[in-house]
Amino acid sequence: DIQMTQSPSSLSASVGDRVTITCRASQSISSYLNWYHQKPGKAPKLLIYAASSLQTGVPSRFSGSGSGTDFTLTISSLQVEDFTTYYCQQTYSTPFTFGPGTKVDIK
Amino acid sequence: QVQLQESGPGLVKPSETLSLTCTVSAYSISSGYYWGWIRQPPGKGLEWIGSIYHSGNTYYNPSLKSRVTISVDTSKNQFSLKLSSVTAADTAVYYCAAGKYYYMDVWGEGTTVTVSS
Repeated sequence: DIQMTQSPSSLSASVGDRVTITCRASQSISSYLNWYHQKPGKAPKLLIYAASSLQTGVPSRFSGSGSGTDFTLTISSLQVEDFTTYYCQQTYSTPFTFGPGTKVDIK
Repeated sequence: QVQLQESGPGLVKPSETLSLTCTVSAYSISSGYYWGWIRQPPGKGLEWIGSIYHSGNTYYNPSLKSRVTISVDTSKNQFSLKLSSVTAADTAVYYCAAGKYYYMDVWGEGTTVTVSS
């Protein structure tokens, strides 16, 4: 199985901050990398697919980059509704595996 | 806009079979899309269980493959998950989802399943 790691595991930030979350795969996954966020008690919501494609309806402050083994999710200006947990997922090969998550909370 | 709703027992006894159904609205399940199941144990991360194409092709997590079956019922516009021989480790929120092979962009709200005698 392809192992996914994320860093940091948690971070504290303020509204308006620029935030970057990193995801690393245990082997090359080309650009088969998705980003989700999940609010407490809710289902995950797709933000970015194929490493850098913004899902329809997702604000443009979210962006993704990377290929191979190293990927980043950037939030250009953090909003109140963005304080939640973020997961990356590889879909290069089954089983499709998720990272352990990065929790973003208010400083 | 496709909508999904999970249903099924919230409590399953150890060694029995967990059965969940996902009802699809505003879209014909036979028109395309991949249909999948993902679970999340309490306080933990997400685990991909498997998915099925409308034609019936299935893809399972090898760690669960011997116990899991995902199927589609086009007459009811539903797809289902069966997980046999459950233990406490199978206690989780189970989500159904839909999308392309490489990403799921529509999710149900999730249903909590507890395995306990």
